[in-house]
Amino acid sequence: EDQVTQSPEALRLQEGESSSLNCSYTVSGLRGLFWYRQDPGKGPEFLFTLYSAGEEKEKERLKATLTKKESFLHITAPKPEDSATYLCAVHTNAGKSTFGDGTTLTVKP
Amino acid sequence: ETGVTQTPRHLVMGMTNKKSLKCEQHLGHNAMYWYKQSAKKPLELMFVYNFKEQTENNSVPSRFSPECPNSSHLFLHLHTLQPEDSALYLCASSQDLSFQETQYFGPGTRLLVL
Repeated sequence: EDQVTQSPEALRLQEGESSSLNCSYTVSGLRGLFWYRQDPGKGPEFLFTLYSAGEEKEKERLKATLTKKESFLHITAPKPEDSATYLCAVHTNAGKSTFGDGTTLTVKP
Repeated sequence: ETGVTQTPRHLVMGMTNKKSLKCEQHLGHNAMYWYKQSAKKPLELMFVYNFKEQTENNSVPSRFSPECPNSSHLFLHLHTLQPEDSALYLCASSQDLSFQETQYFGPGTRLLVL
């Protein structure tokens, strides 16, 4: 059974305090791992897709990396507007998508 | 309007009511999805449509009935729901199933069943 586990469940940072969110996965035949950002009361917003171990992608203060077992979402010098829930999901060769529970990030000014 | 829109944004219904959720995408996509997001639970895929044909039904109770009249519109018809069906219902679209990983979500309909 495909599994996606995100940690920590919640993360509180001071503005400018860099940190990382973790997404561990066990799937049979990974096609892609993707990260979404979700603000309260809104649908998820696509951030990145990673396809193979060693791949990295960046967008502003966010950088996503991928290994064979996990992905990290690094947040450099976060700002209050980065506060949101970050969702990780995997898509398999069988055409299935499995989402993690998410990490709720709060950045205090 | 751009992107994926959903109406209504909020809905309160009794267990004997019949209501429908509507989703419309303005992205020219061919695949559309319904998800359920409950508190403290991960997103659950409910239904998948590709070129108006249902390709996936993830063991969803029959009190939820989807309809896809064309590639731009998706409905979720609700009847005799239970309180545990209260959740955020999200619609998403993608170019087609080969681009399933890049899904664009609507804002969701917050449903409360009394």
